[in-house]
Amino acid sequence: RKEVEQDPGPFNVPEGATVAFNCTYSNSASQSFFWYRQDCRKEPKLLMSVYSSGNEDGRFTAQLNRASQYISLLIRDSKLSDSATYLCVVNLASGGSYIPTFGRGTSLIVHP
Amino acid sequence: DGGITQSPKYLFRKEGQNVTLSCEQNLNHDAMYWYRQDPGQGLRLIYYSQIVNDFQKGDIAEGYSVSREKKESFPLTVTSAQKNPTAFYLCASSSDRIYGYTFGSGTRLTVV
Repeated sequence: RKEVEQDPGPFNVPEGATVAFNCTYSNSASQSFFWYRQDCRKEPKLLMSVYSSGNEDGRFTAQLNRASQYISLLIRDSKLSDSATYLCVVNLASGGSYIPTFGRGTSLIVHP
Repeated sequence: DGGITQSPKYLFRKEGQNVTLSCEQNLNHDAMYWYRQDPGQGLRLIYYSQIVNDFQKGDIAEGYSVSREKKESFPLTVTSAQKNPTAFYLCASSSDRIYGYTFGSGTRLTVV
């Protein structure tokens, strides 16, 4: 089983739609969770951190479920500019350290 | 402005040659990381360093080497022992894992 798993998609949605992505992780001792956005042939950029109580930033909502070991990202009112790959990042506990481990990414395509 | 600079942006290498990728940051971050990304794949950790003069192997360290002689610099050498070096290489840094990771713009290495 991969340590951090995401559905690769692609998710193909119309403008204005609500779309949700999930990401599961294998190590219950993991700390610090993030969602990154990566545009084609570019570096990943931090979209938002994920806090235990859940957090929102405009149209984006992130949630953490420690019991089930997954994080989620909800995008409301999708825009064409939201088209990108969304990577989840988990700081996995490993030998006394925490190693930033990436999922393979979920591709989102927003069409007119 | 603070950030991470990777150079060169594109690099072509003949088989059997070693090549060094540069990564410099002026963010005063302690931790630095090297990742490799193949088409349609997530980021895989090559090496990381949490403090000057110390570094650890990641998941795919074979065929690579690093040094961390200065806080600002974390160069990656791709040796001739790396069987499939053609990939997109990303360098990242972090001041504290709870704040996430900042990436450079990457180096695309092609073996010809």
